[in-house]
Amino acid sequence: DSGVTQTPKHLITATGQRVTLRCSPRSGDLSVYWYQQSLDQGLQFLIQYYNGEERAKGNILERFSAQQFPDLHSELNLSSLELGDSALYFCASSVAGDYYNEQFFGPGTRLTVL
Amino acid sequence: QQPVQSPQAVILREGEDAVINCSSSKALYSVHWYRQKHGEAPVFLMILLKGGEQKGHEKISASFNEKKQQSSLYLTASQLSYSGTYFCGSVNLNAGGTSYGKLTFGQGTILTVHP
Repeated sequence: DSGVTQTPKHLITATGQRVTLRCSPRSGDLSVYWYQQSLDQGLQFLIQYYNGEERAKGNILERFSAQQFPDLHSELNLSSLELGDSALYFCASSVAGDYYNEQFFGPGTRLTVL
Repeated sequence: QQPVQSPQAVILREGEDAVINCSSSKALYSVHWYRQKHGEAPVFLMILLKGGEQKGHEKISASFNEKKQQSSLYLTASQLSYSGTYFCGSVNLNAGGTSYGKLTFGQGTILTVHP
């Protein structure tokens, strides 16, 4: 158990819908990352937050948005869902947000878009 | 651009050794190694930093060649529990001069250990 929690564990929804994934980092960690894992794209970085501020951005779609709240939990919002958005979404956290910090992954949310 | 891992797959008997390589086309600040079992989260194994520092599990060893922009993970006396997919993640220098923690992952190496 990494100490990172994610809810829900599974999510099944229809195309065109909007969903919110939630992540709580390990106690003491200030930085949160979101990753998407699919069979064809592999494990891809989406976005990073540090103490409430966006720090780094990957190839995150405009239909996706995220934020980190004052209590440091983070939410990833996915809207106008398409079949291709079906994937495992992982949240990770680290003490700070630098290249020398280990990142610890949560158990993931499996999103299925029908 | 994602780092390239080799080999794509390895099959071992318990007790045998394996080396997994990770190569980047861009300058590396750090390399992170993870193991993922099917349907589970990636588990942190080791981080290797520019300058030579390493942090990680005592039973795992790895190397980092800054000049060649390569890292290798050494798995010795393999156990059944070593089976899984191994990923390297690289942190590269960004255009703006910052690196932060953006990890770009390789495609993974599937390791299978048989009794």
